[in-house]
Amino acid sequence: QKEVEQDPGPLSVPEGAIVSLNCTYSNSAFQYFMWYRQYSRKGPELLMYTYSSGNKEDGRFTAQVDKSSKYISLFIRDSQPSDSATYLCAMSAYSGNTPLVFGKGTRLSVIA
Amino acid sequence: DGGITQSPKYLFRKEGQNVTLSCEQNLNHDAMYWYRQDPGQGLRLIYYSQIVNDFQKGDIAEGYSVSREKKESFPLTVTSAQKNPTAFYLCASRAGDTEAFFGQGTRLTVV
Repeated sequence: QKEVEQDPGPLSVPEGAIVSLNCTYSNSAFQYFMWYRQYSRKGPELLMYTYSSGNKEDGRFTAQVDKSSKYISLFIRDSQPSDSATYLCAMSAYSGNTPLVFGKGTRLSVIA
Repeated sequence: DGGITQSPKYLFRKEGQNVTLSCEQNLNHDAMYWYRQDPGQGLRLIYYSQIVNDFQKGDIAEGYSVSREKKESFPLTVTSAQKNPTAFYLCASRAGDTEAFFGQGTRLTVV
């Protein structure tokens, strides 16, 4: 079992739809959770950062962490064609400067 | 502007050559990382450094080498021992348990 599982998609939705992206993980030591957006041939850019369990909202984006189920989600409201990208989940355990472990990424297309 | 700069953006390597990818950060982060990205593979960790003059192998270190002589710099050398080096290489930095920030990547192609 891989440490982090993420459905690679592709996922195609109409403009304005609510998008749900998910990752599951196996390492119960993970405490820090991130979502990155990556456009083609570019470096990943940070969208959301959360610590431990709970929700965090930033504009059209909401990140949820359920540590009891080892499951994290990213919701995108009112999706736009500019949201078309690959979304990567990442996480790390608490031990200072440790490397992030990434999912394989979900490719999203928002159709106008 | 604070950030991470990778250079060059595109790099071509002949068979048997060593090439070095540059990564510089002005974020004052202690930790720096190199990842390799292949289609459908996600990001795989090559090497990382948590402090100057120290570094550790990641999951796919064979055929690569690094140095960390300065806090700001973490160059990656792709040696001739790396048999399949064509990939997108990403450098990142991080302060403690905060979020990691990435450079814009170097695309390496074997010709």
